[in-house]
Amino acid sequence: ETGVTQSPTHLIKTRGQQVTLRCSSQSGHNTVSWYQQALGQGPQFIFQYYREEENGRGNFPPRFSGLQFPNYSSELNVNALELDDSALYLCASSLGQGGGGSYNEQFFGPGTRLTVL
Amino acid sequence: GNSVTQMEGPVTLSEEAFLTINCTYTATGYPSLFWYVQYPGEGLQLLLKATKADDKGSNKGFEATYRKETTSFHLEKGSVQVSDSAVYFCALYSGAGSYQLTFGKGTKLSVIP
Repeated sequence: ETGVTQSPTHLIKTRGQQVTLRCSSQSGHNTVSWYQQALGQGPQFIFQYYREEENGRGNFPPRFSGLQFPNYSSELNVNALELDDSALYLCASSLGQGGGGSYNEQFFGPGTRLTVL
Repeated sequence: GNSVTQMEGPVTLSEEAFLTINCTYTATGYPSLFWYVQYPGEGLQLLLKATKADDKGSNKGFEATYRKETTSFHLEKGSVQVSDSAVYFCALYSGAGSYQLTFGKGTKLSVIP
């Protein structure tokens, strides 16, 4: 069974640029959640995708957007990068969207470290 | 809204010492509670969980009990090892229309021989 993988591992961009981060979900999982982890902080929920649709969103501006593909892999796109976007971006996959009281365990990838200069 | 507060780190202990990392939460409804661990250069791994009041989660010698009356979920281990050095995150999942985990800021644990 393949776990959650993310690419690239590290990325350096300059302010104002755009970036795309990729995530392959664990085999059999249909839901992907993205989190931003700033240095010294806990992960913050960005959004979740379930069956190719955005299923919930945290307190992030619209320049953070995403996609989920028919094979349940996902992309996180960030436009007009700002210095504060520098962080570890974590992807987590699960079987089912949750939200109904029962928890569908989220399995995390190793993350993509984004540095904005 | 939901929030998790955990003790500030870093925490440095000698091998075989007793570990406690405090965690308290604020949430609507009846959340599930978790401890995640992050080893250097790796993603988050679920360490243990508890889904209702008075449940005790346990794994790899770590334990935490869901205390609804004190809204707490403190992590404990009787005898830490060097290999336990990592960052520990307390988290909650409230369900009821929410799809996200809410995390604390993390506590870095260093265990020295």
